[in-house]
Amino acid sequence: GIQVEQSPPDLILQEGANSTLRCNFSDSVNNLQWFHQNPWGQLINLFYIPSGTKQNGRLSATTVATERYSLLYISSSQTTDSGVYFCAVADYKLSFGAGTTVTVRA
Amino acid sequence: GAVVSQHPSRVICKSGTSVKIECRSLDFQATTMFWYRQFPKQSLMLMATSNEGSKATYEQGVEKDKFLINHASLTLSTLTVTSAHPEDSSFYICSATGTGVLANYGYTFGSGTRLTVV
Repeated sequence: GIQVEQSPPDLILQEGANSTLRCNFSDSVNNLQWFHQNPWGQLINLFYIPSGTKQNGRLSATTVATERYSLLYISSSQTTDSGVYFCAVADYKLSFGAGTTVTVRA
Repeated sequence: GAVVSQHPSRVICKSGTSVKIECRSLDFQATTMFWYRQFPKQSLMLMATSNEGSKATYEQGVEKDKFLINHASLTLSTLTVTSAHPEDSSFYICSATGTGVLANYGYTFGSGTRLTVV
């Protein structure tokens, strides 16, 4: 199956800081999504981004499919941004990376 | 659009009993559904893939006789954990996609079921 590597595994930020999360994948994919898992376990779909760049408020994402990586940018971080961020890719079945645990301190 | 509802959100059952978890697509036809399992502080692991009207395809290492998956309609898939034991305690999440959904939303997830076997 497709291997998905996320970095860094943990990230501690001061409120207001910017950050970049990275996702590398081992093969061509038809689908790439970024999720935020909240403390109750629910997966919030942040971006469906198999290629290109998208922005949604303070979050943006870029996927360079030819180089097999994607980046998630968090700007002006807030404490509510804390949680685990997953990158998931698919040719057919969605495979998840190990996640990045983000802690934003006030 | 592309909403998936999963019930129950949490369940506690006695060892040896069976538990059924439902996953419904509310506003689209889910031609394919996926079931994942997540242990604390770990990532999501795919258990099985089911297409409507067909037998589920299980990932390597997943016991098909323990985790029964039924996808009898385009809006409903169920996961039954049979003869549950404490080691089956976990967070189970379903995902669904369908024609027109994947291109616009990707894979959509239910809110998960936390199973505790005592």
